[in-house]
Amino acid sequence: EVHLLESGGGLVQPGGSLRLYCAASGFTFNSYEMTWVRQAPGKGLDWVSYISSGGDTTHYADSVKGRFTISRDNAKNSLYLQMNSLRAEDTAVYYCARLDHAFDSWGQGTLVTVSS
Amino acid sequence: QSVLTQPPSVSGAPGQRVTISCTGSSSNIGAGYDVHWYQQLPGTAPKLLIDGNSNRPSGVPDRFSGSKSGTSASLAITGLQAEDEADYYCQSYDSTLSGPFCVFGSGTKVTVL
Repeated sequence: EVHLLESGGGLVQPGGSLRLYCAASGFTFNSYEMTWVRQAPGKGLDWVSYISSGGDTTHYADSVKGRFTISRDNAKNSLYLQMNSLRAEDTAVYYCARLDHAFDSWGQGTLVTVSS
Repeated sequence: QSVLTQPPSVSGAPGQRVTISCTGSSSNIGAGYDVHWYQQLPGTAPKLLIDGNSNRPSGVPDRFSGSKSGTSASLAITGLQAEDEADYYCQSYDSTLSGPFCVFGSGTKVTVL
């Protein structure tokens, strides 16, 4: 069974940094593209970032470009999101999701709150 | 402002049929990109409901169906049940100079009366 487990969320001040983690299990991690999707409180889904199966190709939403960095360690079955220069509008639940044509598996999410 | 437009809410009585529209443009749905649908039950993560415009993943009841035409797509729920009360999102891709990127619809809350 596919399992994705995010961690690393928490409260951070504006301008601060946070690193999110996504532990994958139940499938061959290095064969799948992965993404991060976020959801602000009471709002809809917002795609954040994409990484290819080998980690050599990445894409970002304009709202996070230059501030967030997606990466992966296939040896550890892990996905990461380094978030710098955080803003209040980055407050959201962050989900990692497996991409197989569609986002076919999702983690339970980790909450990031940016506030002073 | 979402690139894909959905009605904020739809409602129906148990057993009825409801449809949710997802309206895009020539740079996303109209460009030939597939549309996928997700169901998000209250307090939970989204779940893939319809893949590739009209395909139901294993375990999804056949009362859920999807279609796509031109620059729009639709999700239909027939025989509405109380457990279908949730938020529904469409998703596709949009062409940009740096390549296609993912876009979500604004989301539709389904209420079972």
